[in-house]
Amino acid sequence: AQSVTQPDARVTVSEGASLQLRCKYSYSGTPYLFWYVQYPRQGLQLLLKYYSGDPVVQGVNGFEAEFIKSNSSFHLRKASVHWSDSAVYFCAVSPTSSSFSKLVFGQGTSLSVVP
Amino acid sequence: ETAVFQTPNYHVTQVGNEVSFNCKQTLGHDTMYWYKQDSKKLLKIMFSYNNKQLIVNETVPRRFSPQSSDKAHLNLRIKSVEPEDSAVYLCASSYYRSQNTLYFGAGTRLSVL
Repeated sequence: AQSVTQPDARVTVSEGASLQLRCKYSYSGTPYLFWYVQYPRQGLQLLLKYYSGDPVVQGVNGFEAEFIKSNSSFHLRKASVHWSDSAVYFCAVSPTSSSFSKLVFGQGTSLSVVP
Repeated sequence: ETAVFQTPNYHVTQVGNEVSFNCKQTLGHDTMYWYKQDSKKLLKIMFSYNNKQLIVNETVPRRFSPQSSDKAHLNLRIKSVEPEDSAVYLCASSYYRSQNTLYFGAGTRLSVL
């Protein structure tokens, strides 16, 4: 069974600084990988996804993530954060082989962007 | 803009009562889900329906029962709520062929006193 670990429950960065949110997954093959974001009092929204090909995938609002198979990681990055990026970020994984692709979420990382 | 609509936004009730939550999606999707998000933001899938047919039923207490009248609606009923049912219940939808790309509603926050 697949699993996802986000080691940082909370991250605080200054506005304009760069950001990396960590994600490690456990899966025997090459999974599908995702980052979702949850703004306050809202549901989750898809930021970006990786299926295959270029290991660096671009998402909305300047976010990108890099799939590193040797490290079983899919870290999320942004060059310069804005206060509106404050939210909870979820990494997720699903298998590529099952007929029903059950999405498994990590524990989430709460991002606070301070002035 | 929101295309997965959940009602109510909040619900406060007492132990032992029955509650129902509604979810409707206007995206034309054929698959809908209920997730439970606890106070630590952990997400767990509860149920999934494809074209009114139950396709995923995770290990949830029997007091939880999903109800689907058509592919655009998926409601959740909880008979005799318990304190541990306090959580945010998130409804989501997708196309069956793209089950990883979920569209979520804003959630229903349930508080059980």
